[in-house]
Amino acid sequence: ETGVTQTPRHLVMGMTNKKSLKCEQHLGHNAMYWYKQSAKKPLELMFVYNFKEQTENNSVPSRFSPECPNSSHLFLHLHTLQPEDSALYLCASSQDEVGQRPTDTQYFGPGTRLTVL
Amino acid sequence: GQNIDQPTEMTATEGAIVQINCTYQTSGFNGLFWYQQHAGEAPTFLSYNVLDGLEEKGRFSSFLSRSKGYSYLLLKELQMKDSASYLCAGMDSNYQLIWGAGTKLIIKP
Repeated sequence: ETGVTQTPRHLVMGMTNKKSLKCEQHLGHNAMYWYKQSAKKPLELMFVYNFKEQTENNSVPSRFSPECPNSSHLFLHLHTLQPEDSALYLCASSQDEVGQRPTDTQYFGPGTRLTVL
Repeated sequence: GQNIDQPTEMTATEGAIVQINCTYQTSGFNGLFWYQQHAGEAPTFLSYNVLDGLEEKGRFSSFLSRSKGYSYLLLKELQMKDSASYLCAGMDSNYQLIWGAGTKLIIKP
């Protein structure tokens, strides 16, 4: 399934760098999500966008800044990150925001493996 | 609080059957999902249960007991390609997904 793509696949950055993660979905979905996946921990929902509007921000530190210019693209801007932010960042999309259609399946991208030095 | 529990790791033999259990505690309940995630790849949807009982999809089946807060994923005729992590996620009354940490399944020849 290549419906959701993410770039870059791997990223190494210093704590003073600024970088951006990109996600693109080709499924015609209206909702997009950012998740953080750390080893042996549950997926952590970070942000949700539905019809380009942010509907969820799970107390994410301001050093993570999302942007959703349209329903197909989602960015995560990173600045002054900490080593504990090293993780796999997953993007997902669904037809609508999970909640309006309970059986709405989320489709995930392959993730960006982020390492903060 | 809300919580999903599943074993961290399981090992099984090629051709055998394995059952991965998941217990959940959510504020309200709107269904339970199972996803498969191969190392370095995206999680992919396997099943969704909202009613009690067993749902079968080829070699994979998923079971739900709402009264017990319990689900399992049953994999039959195991193949080496089934080596992956299996993620359990419950949906609460606000339709938020509560994720487990995943069960890493190792298949041995």
